[in-house]
Amino acid sequence: QAGLTQPPSVSKGLRQTATFTCTGNSNNVGNQGALWLRQRQGHPPKLLSDRENSRPSNISERLSASRSGNTATLTISELQAEDEADYYCSAWDSNLSAWLFGGGTKLTVL
Amino acid sequence: DVQLVESGGGLVKPGGSLRLSCVASAFRFEVYGMNWVRQAPGKGLEWVAHISGPGAPIYYADSVKGRFTVSRDNAKRSLYLQMNNLRGEDTATYYCAKGVLDLWGRGTLVNVSS
Repeated sequence: QAGLTQPPSVSKGLRQTATFTCTGNSNNVGNQGALWLRQRQGHPPKLLSDRENSRPSNISERLSASRSGNTATLTISELQAEDEADYYCSAWDSNLSAWLFGGGTKLTVL
Repeated sequence: DVQLVESGGGLVKPGGSLRLSCVASAFRFEVYGMNWVRQAPGKGLEWVAHISGPGAPIYYADSVKGRFTVSRDNAKRSLYLQMNNLRGEDTATYYCAKGVLDLWGRGTLVNVSS
């Protein structure tokens, strides 16, 4: 099963804004929405935003998610050192009956 | 606490079998679909299998179809993954994940090596 497309890396300075993109097609991101996960080194993934672009209550307001067509976007403002991690998008594919993942984007905070 | 705890990983030879378990706590396990997701060392996430709350339907990734079997026992709040005919490329940390991937366990490591 083919995956979703994410850029491999993003580098930004402290207090800057990072933007992550995730591109799929009309069978997954376009009609099912995408969710976002963060994975810090040595830890399991953690949900940041669900398919309706809502944040769990314990996730910082600095994070926001949106979707336009077949592309989902995660934005993190006021970057902090603790934001350094790998960020994954995922979507259910209604044609494949499978969860798809992007390859992940590694965020470096300079 | 709401949590998932995996177990059953270990070292196994190519062609061997292993059964993973995942026990759920503090949520209505029986109403949620459950998933297995794996991550090879240094690599990204790969979905493996999904099982609905009642136990059907079930879906598998092409890479494991015919070799892996997912099942659940709602009375025991447990999810299972029977892995047969294991290959080197199955080496990974295996996570169980609830529903729409909104809760993850800490994972269990499977190492397929001779």
